[in-house]
Amino acid sequence: AAGVIQSPRHLIKEKRETATLKCYPIPRHDTVYWYQQGPGQDPQFLISFYEKMQSDKGSIPDRFSAQQFSDYHSELNMSSLELGDSALYFCASSLGASGGVADTQYFGPGTRLTVL
Amino acid sequence: QKEVEQNSGPLSVPEGAIASLNCTYSDRGSQSFFWYRQYSGKSPELIMSIYSNGDKEDGRFTAQLNKASQYVSLLIRDSQPSDSATYLCAVNKEGSYIPTFGRGTSLIVHP
Repeated sequence: AAGVIQSPRHLIKEKRETATLKCYPIPRHDTVYWYQQGPGQDPQFLISFYEKMQSDKGSIPDRFSAQQFSDYHSELNMSSLELGDSALYFCASSLGASGGVADTQYFGPGTRLTVL
Repeated sequence: QKEVEQNSGPLSVPEGAIASLNCTYSDRGSQSFFWYRQYSGKSPELIMSIYSNGDKEDGRFTAQLNKASQYVSLLIRDSQPSDSATYLCAVNKEGSYIPTFGRGTSLIVHP
């Protein structure tokens, strides 16, 4: 079965540079979530999109922005990168909510961002 | 108090034994509960979802939910070394479609 696709898988940037991470959800999934996971930490929710509109916002820094496009893929744009932004960034997708019960999220393989 | 609590472990069990992983949550209105397995440096992989009180079995895995006591557990029967990973409990608070993750429990299954 098709899974969530993320690109690139690895990214190395210098401080103050910008980075763009891409996420392609499972076909027919309409909701995309972005998470940041530091070493030994649980995934921290950043932002989500449902039907191309921002649906929830978590601990996303103002230096980051994201959007979901007409084909449901999403991009996370990160500017003025800091050393502390080094982490695994996961995208997850789901069919969204049905009957008031959250649908299961399926995670992509992640992008490992290293800021030097 | 963190909203979703897990013992960080490591929990060490011998091969073939039952591993029991526990998770408690603070929001009494939570409705959706998930267990993910995560190998080091890899993405979380869904193992089980559970929404109603009681047990739910899938192969060697059994999820148990007790909303009155606000805990959800995962039992792994016939544990294998390949089960060694971090197990994340995720809970959706009432009215939210965003899961809150616990810190995860590290499981080590030794031959």
